[in-house]
Amino acid sequence: GEDVEQSLFLSVREGDSSVINCTYTDSSSTYLYWYKQEPGAGLQLLTYIFSNMDMKQDQRLTVLLNKKDKHLSLRIADTQTGDSAIYFCAEYSGAGSYQLTFGKGTKLSVIP
Amino acid sequence: EPEVTQTPSHQVTQMGQEVILRCVPISNHLYFYWYRQILGQKVEFLVSFYNNEISEKSEIFDDQFSVERPDGSNFTLKIRSTKLEDSAMYFCASSDGAGFYDEQFFGPGTRLTVL
Repeated sequence: GEDVEQSLFLSVREGDSSVINCTYTDSSSTYLYWYKQEPGAGLQLLTYIFSNMDMKQDQRLTVLLNKKDKHLSLRIADTQTGDSAIYFCAEYSGAGSYQLTFGKGTKLSVIP
Repeated sequence: EPEVTQTPSHQVTQMGQEVILRCVPISNHLYFYWYRQILGQKVEFLVSFYNNEISEKSEIFDDQFSVERPDGSNFTLKIRSTKLEDSAMYFCASSDGAGFYDEQFFGPGTRLTVL
């Protein structure tokens, strides 16, 4: 079955770049997502990338996809204390399925 | 901005009791979902619901679980006889379509603790 793996914790200094990594196993994954969860809030979609893309940039966020290695990363430039949250990688294979398959989430702590 | 809401934020129950977790999806959305996250584990899909019936369910969603849209605004998850291993954060989500581009909007979750 599908599996998505992420490291659990990342700590960076304010102003540095953060890179959160994710690997997935389903070669039919067509769309990959990054969700952010702040304390007490629901999961909020940050960005997504199609499997036929290598990179997507959106302001401070850069998503890189290595389809050969099934590796996805989220880079946050100029990390701020407000970026402290849990970041979830998720994949959607489509093919008649409605479900998203998530990783465990990476807790990003930003040190002032 | 419209949002998905869930009540209660925390539910404590005794093993064997029935619980109902409630969600109010975004009003014009047509697809509804429940996910759960056991502490330290992954967010897992439970069930999707469309047009008043279950569209898809995972192997976790056994006969102890049921979903309902009782009144056109609420979407509920019932666990008939709770087990210790049902302790988790339960997330409700909704979307206005079922394609990859149809963002699933998540609620803040209900933490269920089974004693």
